[in-house]
Amino acid sequence: EPEVTQTPSHQVTQMGQEVILRCVPISNHLYFYWYRQILGQKVEFLVSFYNNEISEKSEIFDDQFSVERPDGSNFTLKIRSTKLEDSAMYFCASRAGGGATDTQYFGPGTRLTVL
Amino acid sequence: GNSVTQMEGPVTLSEEAFLTINCTYTATGYPSLFWYVQYPGEGLQLLLKATKADDKGSNKGFEATYRKETTSFHLEKGSVQVSDSAVYFCALSDAPGYKLSFGAGTTVTVRA
Repeated sequence: EPEVTQTPSHQVTQMGQEVILRCVPISNHLYFYWYRQILGQKVEFLVSFYNNEISEKSEIFDDQFSVERPDGSNFTLKIRSTKLEDSAMYFCASRAGGGATDTQYFGPGTRLTVL
Repeated sequence: GNSVTQMEGPVTLSEEAFLTINCTYTATGYPSLFWYVQYPGEGLQLLLKATKADDKGSNKGFEATYRKETTSFHLEKGSVQVSDSAVYFCALSDAPGYKLSFGAGTTVTVRA
């Protein structure tokens, strides 16, 4: 069964450093998302991406964040200058179609630890 | 805006007990409703979904019915197992972007 994959599974970085989290969505999916989950808290939406552009972003997704689909398979989240409060589990998700009935499939997540 | 309110727990049960987790929502349109499950150390997996009023989603013995009149989507299982120990998230998806809005999650622990 096709699945969303994410690398690395765990990333440790120093405050102020740039990190890139990578995701490979399911191959025929067209809509891509990033969410994050701070330890013990709810899953929060960051950004959605369709047709090579951001379709929606939350207030969390400020100028320090960016997303890119550099080729036909990868979908990346970059944090330019990490802060302590960026420590969280980051989930990538993808969806095949454009309707509310379509399911988002999640990757296993990348745990980001900012020291 | 859209929001999901979920019974927070934690919930501790004995094996074969009945489980119910309450979920209510607020949405401006006609959302689809989901239950996701997160097993220890793992990511989010879709458990079940319902896309319109009165639909019942079911999977692995779990059920939830989309109730528009009470804006609810309560999760139930008649006889839980130790392997059902996990965090359960209620979520909704609505136009225009169909992003998921999650509840706070309910930690369920089933004891043998």
